[in-house]
Amino acid sequence: QMQLVESGGGVVQPGGSLRLSCKASGFTFSNYGMHWVRQAPGKGLEWVTFIRYDGVNKYYADFVKGRFTISRDNSENTLYLQMNRLRPEDTAVYFCAKDRRYQVLWGPLDYWGQGTLVTVSS
Amino acid sequence: AIQLTQSPSSLSASVGDTVTITCRASQGIRSALAWYQQKPGKPPNLLIYDASSLESGVPSRFSGSGSGTDFTLTISSLQPEDFATYYCQQFNSYPLFGQGTKLEIK
Repeated sequence: QMQLVESGGGVVQPGGSLRLSCKASGFTFSNYGMHWVRQAPGKGLEWVTFIRYDGVNKYYADFVKGRFTISRDNSENTLYLQMNRLRPEDTAVYFCAKDRRYQVLWGPLDYWGQGTLVTVSS
Repeated sequence: AIQLTQSPSSLSASVGDTVTITCRASQGIRSALAWYQQKPGKPPNLLIYDASSLESGVPSRFSGSGSGTDFTLTISSLQPEDFATYYCQQFNSYPLFGQGTKLEIK
């Protein structure tokens, strides 16, 4: 069955960096775009970034543009999120999610990982 | 930028009731809308995509309708496991989620 497993979360000081990973299995990873979505404690869902199935195009929410970088390794079935210049307001559970659409730009998100918690605090 | 407004933000209902949640887009998004259910401590679960298509494995008591700017999620004959938070999401442009609707037991 399809599975997404995130790792790399933790506690980091403001201004610091963290790299999240999302290991995919159970589907042909290289055929689908992938998203990162976050959820601050007690708050709603917030879309962060998307990478096309082939890694050619990447899109970011304004609040992370220039600080976060999404990437993928299709040979390793792994999605990444490099987070730099972290701020306290970036504190959230970060979910990776698979796009439902086959080899097209974004659509609905049909499979989600369990999430990894990032805490930005001094 | 497109804005999504969900209403109500919270809702109380009883088992067996039928409830409707509304999602309004600030500009037309065709049928590029999805609905998710989220329970505490869990990731969201896709219920409806393309405004009215039921995701595989989702009970038929969930239904979606609308196009353009106004959309609804209807849950018929509420079951105990349906009490959760529901989110709409548009994907006509940069993905965006509504602020959520918490469905509580009356």
